[in-house]
Formats: sequence, C-alpha cells, structure tokens
Amino acid sequence: KQEVTQIPAALSVPEGENLVLNCSFTDSAIYNLQWFRQDPGKGLTSLLLIQSSQREQTSGRLNASLDKSSGRSTLYIAASQPGDSATYLCAGTGGSQGNLIFGKGTKLSVKP
Amino acid sequence: DAGVTQSPTHLIKTRGQQVTLRCSPKSGHDTVSWYQQALGQGPQFIFQYYEEEERQRGNFPDRFSGHQFPNYSSELNVNALLLGDSALYLCASRKAKFGYTFGSGTRLTVV
Repeated sequence: KQEVTQIPAALSVPEGENLVLNCSFTDSAIYNLQWFRQDPGKGLTSLLLIQSSQREQTSGRLNASLDKSSGRSTLYIAASQPGDSATYLCAGTGGSQGNLIFGKGTKLSVKP
Repeated sequence: DAGVTQSPTHLIKTRGQQVTLRCSPKSGHDTVSWYQQALGQGPQFIFQYYEEEERQRGNFPDRFSGHQFPNYSSELNVNALLLGDSALYLCASRKAKFGYTFGSGTRLTVV
C-alpha cells in the first residue's frame, strides 16, 4: 500500500528565505506527481505537475523535482513571502488512470 | 474558464440522515474523483467516475455512493450519516492522464 510522508509537518521562516519541502513515497513506482497549496478551510490549488516522463517542473519562484529511483520529491520555494503561508500537499498516482495518494501536508508560515 | 464547481459550500445534517453533494468538472474534463479530508489530514480517495461508471474505489463503506451524468457532472451520496463523516469533501476532475483540478469543497458537519 502506497504511503506518502511529508517532512517537516510545520515550518516557520522569516520573509525572504529560500526553503525546501520534502515528500517521500513508500512505493517508488509513481506515474504523476502533483504539489498543491491549501489555504485554511479551502480547496486545493495545483502548483506543479510532474508527469511520468519528466523529472522537474518550475513555475515562478517554485521548483519541484522528482527522483523516481528513491521515490522522493522536493518543492523549492525561493524568496518566500507572507502570502506563501499555507499548507502544501504532495500527491502521486500509481498509474496513468490512478487516483491521487496524499501526504498530510507541510504547514508553512512566513513571517513578515 | 470555470474550474471545478461544488455545491453546496456548507451543510449541516443530523446523524442518520442522507446527503447529496454535487460537482461540475472543469470544461473539457471527463473524469471526476471525490475525496474526503478530515481536519489536519490529507485528502482520502473515495471513488472515481469515468464514462458514467465507477472505475476505482477507496476504502469507504457502501454508505458512500456516487453517480456521473452524461455531461460529466457528478454526485456524491452518503447514507446513514455518522458523526465521523464530518469533513471537507473535495471533487477533482481531469482529462486523460493529465493533472487533477480541485474544487473549493463542501464542508459537511454532522450533529
């Protein structure tokens, strides 16, 4: 059974810092991987999608990478801002038609 | 372009009652999935619909059922509500093997 672990569970940083969020899968056979952002009480906003043939994706200050050999993914946030404060969730699918399996998330707080 | 639309946004029900949640997928998407998110947890997969049939199901009891309509919209039904069913219910849609788009969710409170 696939399980997803996100480390750290919570993180508080001052504004302007670069930071890395980690995600690991017990089964490295991941097809697609997505990183999401969730604000309190809200739905999920997709940040980055790494498809099966890819290893990395970038969008603005965000960069996500996936090492399929180890089943690990990282989300890098450059020059963090207070507006980045949210819970970040990673999720993977086991196949092209698979459902998403989520970690519990990392709660990020960026202090002004 | 409208994303995934869910209704209602909030709902309060009494134990034992039945509830129906609704979802309209993003334009061009044909696959709809439902997730349950308890407070402080990641979303848990309930089931997925494609071509009006349930294609995959997570570890949820038969009290949870669903439907997909010809226009790809979907419903989630929960019978005999328990206090533990209180959660944020999320609908997600996608096209083929591409990424999922989520709605804002329905907050269900069972009292």
